[in-house]
Amino acid sequence: KQEVTQIPAALSVPEGENLVLNCSFTDSAIYNLQWFRQDPGKGLTSLLLIQSSQREQTSGRLNASLDKSSGRSTLYIAASQPGDSATYLCAVSLDSGYSTLTFGKGTMLLVSP
Amino acid sequence: DGGITQSPKYLFRKEGQNVTLSCEQNLNHDAMYWYRQDPGQGLRLIYYSQIVNDFQKGDIAEGYSVSREKKESFPLTVTSAQKNPTAFYLCASSPLWTGEITNEKLFFGSGTQLSVL
Repeated sequence: KQEVTQIPAALSVPEGENLVLNCSFTDSAIYNLQWFRQDPGKGLTSLLLIQSSQREQTSGRLNASLDKSSGRSTLYIAASQPGDSATYLCAVSLDSGYSTLTFGKGTMLLVSP
Repeated sequence: DGGITQSPKYLFRKEGQNVTLSCEQNLNHDAMYWYRQDPGQGLRLIYYSQIVNDFQKGDIAEGYSVSREKKESFPLTVTSAQKNPTAFYLCASSPLWTGEITNEKLFFGSGTQLSVL
């Protein structure tokens, strides 16, 4: 059974720091990997989606990389801001329909001014 | 604006009572999903549907039921058989895969917090 682990569970940094969130998965036969953001008491917002054939995706200050063979992905946040404070979840899918989507428990990020 | 609407935002259930959570989307997505989120845990799939009048059980379907009579709507009923219903429930939708590598992201509603009285 696919298992997704996110390290660290919580992270507190001062504003302006570059930071890396880690995600690992046990079954490398994934279809895609997605990074989400969740604000307290809210739903999830998809940040970046990486197909299994891709190595990385970028959106603004966010960069996600995928090393499928080693079962790892990283989310890089450049020049962090207080507005980046949220929980970041990683999820992998074994097929195109999301019915096999497996989520990690998330990394809770706090960026202080 | 296109999106997913979940209601109510907060819901309380008495023992032995069935309650229904609403999920409506106007994104013209074929696939819809219900997830349960417990504090400090990842999301777990309850039910999903890829077409009207058809749905499949997810990992934790016991004590829940769904219907998909319209493309836009996918309500979830938490029955009295679900002995530990307190959780944050999230509805999501996505396009079906077309065979092309497109940006087929998963879109979420804002969630319903269910608590037991």
